[in-house]
Amino acid sequence: GENVEQHPSTLSVQEGDSAVIKCTYSDSASNYFPWYKQELGKGPQLIIDIRSNVGEKKDQRIAVTLNKTAKHFSLHITETQPEDSAVYFCAIRLGNQGGKLIFGQGTELSVKP
Amino acid sequence: DTAVSQTPKYLVTQMGNDKSIKCEQNLGHDTMYWYKQDSKKFLKIMFSYNNKELIINETVPNRFSPKSPDKAHLNLHINSLELGDSAVYFCASSQRGGSSYEQYFGPGTRLTVT
Repeated sequence: GENVEQHPSTLSVQEGDSAVIKCTYSDSASNYFPWYKQELGKGPQLIIDIRSNVGEKKDQRIAVTLNKTAKHFSLHITETQPEDSAVYFCAIRLGNQGGKLIFGQGTELSVKP
Repeated sequence: DTAVSQTPKYLVTQMGNDKSIKCEQNLGHDTMYWYKQDSKKFLKIMFSYNNKELIINETVPNRFSPKSPDKAHLNLHINSLELGDSAVYFCASSQRGGSSYEQYFGPGTRLTVT
């Protein structure tokens, strides 16, 4: 069935270090791979996304890489700051299922000053 | 201006009661969703409406009934509330067929059933 595995579940880094979160999925028809950031008490907010015809995308300190053959994608945050502390979710959009997103289990990122 | 808004933000009620959560979006989107986030923060889609038509209906107890009076509103009514219904419920919206697949989430409604 449709499944997204996200690792690690928690990640603690020092301010200025890099953070990497990885996701693997099973549905080969997936065509869109967003990453959401959820701060405490708020709804998830899109931070970066990538489509299946692109291998890498960067936006300032964050980047996403996609390996469609291996069915995995990763979020990279460089020069982390305390305000990056949040829960991060990867997701996949299933092909031909009305825009249905399947989310990973989430990664709680803590950036220590 | 709030893009996706939900009311109420907090809802505390007893088992067996019936309650509703309301959602409104002012983004002009044609598709709206309800998600449930459990105590382990796992996010799972429940329903989706496109132009007032139900297009996603996951395996959800039939005590949950969504209603979309128009494209900008999607409400969730829950009958006979159970302890296991305690969760944060998020509404989201997107534009189907547009250049972006982004879903915009509301701030959530924390439901506590006692």
